[in-house]
Amino acid sequence: DVKVTQSSRYLVKRTGEKVFLECVQDMDHENMFWYRQDPGLGLRLIYFSYDVKMKEKGDIPEGYSVSREKKERFSLILESASTNQTSMYLCASSSGTGGWNEQYFGPGTRLTVT
Amino acid sequence: AQKVTQAQTEISVVEKEDVTLDCVYETRDTTYYLFWYKQPPSGELVFLIRRNSFDEQNEISGRYSWNFQKSTSSFNFTITASQVVDSAVYFCALRVGIQGAQKLVFGQGTRLTINP
Repeated sequence: DVKVTQSSRYLVKRTGEKVFLECVQDMDHENMFWYRQDPGLGLRLIYFSYDVKMKEKGDIPEGYSVSREKKERFSLILESASTNQTSMYLCASSSGTGGWNEQYFGPGTRLTVT
Repeated sequence: AQKVTQAQTEISVVEKEDVTLDCVYETRDTTYYLFWYKQPPSGELVFLIRRNSFDEQNEISGRYSWNFQKSTSSFNFTITASQVVDSAVYFCALRVGIQGAQKLVFGQGTRLTINP
């Protein structure tokens, strides 16, 4: 079974802190994604990566950065957390470049910024 | 632009009732893929089904069935004889193109509650 794990289920941080969210997948997938989920808005793509050290902006990249130094690990970084970044963050991975391939999701990290 | 609309924010039914979740999509591409995901209370999205734009055959998997109609740009999901375990948030998603990065556009989600 594909497994995508995220470092924390719940996280509370203060405004202005630097926050790292870690995601690891164990199926040698090329592609990895970070989404945020907010009520009434569904999932919105923040950043994605299709190869090690490669990254592309999604629909809402402002205030975030990412790092992919190893194929299995994709980190989301909030350089200076703000209260409007309080949300559920979901990591996903998928194989190949074909549009047919589904994405596998981690359990999510619920981040609260106070 | 690509867009997915799930107009039903919340649905509540009694166990054993049939329920249909609506999904309407917008795209100008001729090649695209549609997906349904389930998010139970545990939070992890679970893949249910995918369809490509060239395959309009409906699909049935146990109590689940999907109706894909290009003429109305809809990809609706029906649960027959619903059970409490079906309670979850359901997302419809659209992926455009066949090459390059696999960006998905998600709908807003429909929260389904099955009452005993």
